[in-house]
Amino acid sequence: QQQVKQSPQSLIVQKGGISIINCAYENTAFDYFPWYQQFPGKGPALLIAIRPDVSEKKEGRFTISFNKSAKQFSLHIMDSQPGDSATYFCAASPRGAAGNKLTFGGGTRVLVKP
Amino acid sequence: DAGVTQSPTHLIKTRGQQVTLRCSPKSGHDTVSWYQQALGQGPQFIFQYYEEEERQRGNFPDRFSGHQFPNYSSELNVNALLLGDSALYLCASSIPGSGGYTFGSGTRLTVV
Repeated sequence: QQQVKQSPQSLIVQKGGISIINCAYENTAFDYFPWYQQFPGKGPALLIAIRPDVSEKKEGRFTISFNKSAKQFSLHIMDSQPGDSATYFCAASPRGAAGNKLTFGGGTRVLVKP
Repeated sequence: DAGVTQSPTHLIKTRGQQVTLRCSPKSGHDTVSWYQQALGQGPQFIFQYYEEEERQRGNFPDRFSGHQFPNYSSELNVNALLLGDSALYLCASSIPGSGGYTFGSGTRLTVV
């Protein structure tokens, strides 16, 4: 049962362009929505996270947009760089401590061409 | 400051065997969670340990078991290995309410 659906599965963007990854969830108990970046041979690393009381959060070139009524959230990578080439995962965890279990999306492989 | 440390990094086992994977959490973290990541997929939650007890469990059979030690380190044990158990096993540590996990680089398990 896939509770967090992520799209697209892969995308190619030119250097300097914008990468956009979308996620949708079903479980209204989800309360914490992080994005992780994973390079080959490494574990996921927390990139940015949001809670449903805000509609947008920006950290450097990374922005999360959150639509609570639609149960959707997205990651925008501005001014994409070749070093951003990685697999990105959205995730969600239920209300309560952020140490609760994470449900991950299927991942998006991003390739930034120089 | 060392992050999450997992050992071994790679492992090859034969179907039917048993395996133990180890994890040392990030300094200051007392909660350890284990995830299974099949090739090309997102990580799937196996279970979480806090205060040496299993607090949450995902949809994994009893062949998967774990342990947490007083120093917060943890082990994941898998019995009667199946070919489908081949995956990257990730350990993540956290502090309840802290805002997220720190993942290790994982153990790549191949079952032949």
